[in-house]
Parts: sequence; structure tokens; C-alpha cells
Amino acid sequence: GESVGLHLPTLSVQEGDNSIINCAYSNSASDYFIWYKQESGKGPQFIIDIRSNMDKRQGQRVTVLLNKTVKHLSLQIAATQPGDSAVYFCAESLYGGSQGNLIFGKGTKLSVKP
Amino acid sequence: DSGVTQTPKHLITATGQRVTLRCSPRSGDLSVYWYQQSLDQGLQFLIQYYNGEERAKGNILERFSAQQFPDLHSELNLSSLELGDSALYFCASSGRGSDQETQYFGPGTRLLVL
Repeated sequence: GESVGLHLPTLSVQEGDNSIINCAYSNSASDYFIWYKQESGKGPQFIIDIRSNMDKRQGQRVTVLLNKTVKHLSLQIAATQPGDSAVYFCAESLYGGSQGNLIFGKGTKLSVKP
Repeated sequence: DSGVTQTPKHLITATGQRVTLRCSPRSGDLSVYWYQQSLDQGLQFLIQYYNGEERAKGNILERFSAQQFPDLHSELNLSSLELGDSALYFCASSGRGSDQETQYFGPGTRLLVL
């Protein structure tokens, strides 16, 4: 994906290690959160989502944690692979995601070293 | 492949001109969303249509307009183009089955205004 912004946070990890990408969201009333992965030249790709009535959700090799007290969201990727290298965006929504208005974070660039 | 298609992939035009970007949602999805991704603003929500009707509006300029047709494809019209309109424009769709809230993104249209 495109590097969004001149100062995109970067996380560099060794292949096989676990990665943790953090996100601070802005609105305490947000009730739906989603992580996207954007590879170079492609559109954002859905990874995992979570509603505000949950604090953890697991997918294949990924886990999303939600801490509403501090308005913090994290994405954990287990056994990171070179194919995980991309820009990762968190997004929040006030209306469950079905009425537009996904608010995206600035993104974190994940670089996986072989 | 998300199932969302966008044309054209690339567009180069001059200031003052007008262009039309096209999006076909995933089969069965009723909602279409438009986003703009620029280097300094990140991913910004523009507008959402649901089954032909405008449902939500974001940071869309008055020079921009969109519509959704009876076959559910959507077009984003950008007029009186300025240099600052150069960006990636993404379409997303949602509304099918149990994951009605998840927005799936197309590959984008890269617009360059010279």
C-alpha cells in the first residue's frame, strides 16, 4: 500500500516472531473496530473486526484486543511471515460499520526480516 | 480478491477537468462507500450509498458527487480538478449475509492531476 503520511510508524520484526501493532482510537462512543492490511499497489484488505461488547477476538494467526478504558486497540500477529509485510490500519465506527463513516488511523508499516 | 472492482486503475488528467470513477460492488452487496487516500490525509471517508440512496456523507467536496445505479454499481464524479485532488480513490462494499458490516475494498483508482 501507499505510505500514508510522511511519518508513518514502522515496526520491524524477525520472521517467526510475534508482532503487535497498536492503535489509539479517538471516540469513546465508537462501537465497532476493524483492522485492515494494505499491501503495495492494493486496496485495504480486511483482517479482523471486533465490537465494543468484546475485549478479544481471535482469527487465523491474528488476535485483536480492545481496551475501552484507554481507547486502545491492538493487533497481534503470530509467527510473522514475510507476506505479512504491509501497512496496517485500524478503523473505528460509531454506527456498527454499516452506515459509513469508518474513521481510519494513520497506519503502521510492518516490515518482516527473513 | 475482494470481489469489488474499480475502473480505471490509473487516470491522468489536467487541472479543471472532470473525471468519473466507477465501482462495482461484490455480488449481493447493497452498500457502496467511497474513500480518498492521500499522503497527508490518510484514508478519508467521502460518501456512502445504500441500494441507490445516499446514506452517509463524509469529507466530500462540493466539486465531487456520486451516485448508485439500479444495478448497484456506483460512480464518483470529480469536477474542476485541482492538483490537490491527486490521490488514490477506493470503493468499498458491504451488506451481504452475516458480515453485513464489514467493508471490502476494491483495488482503487490512482488519480494524478497535472
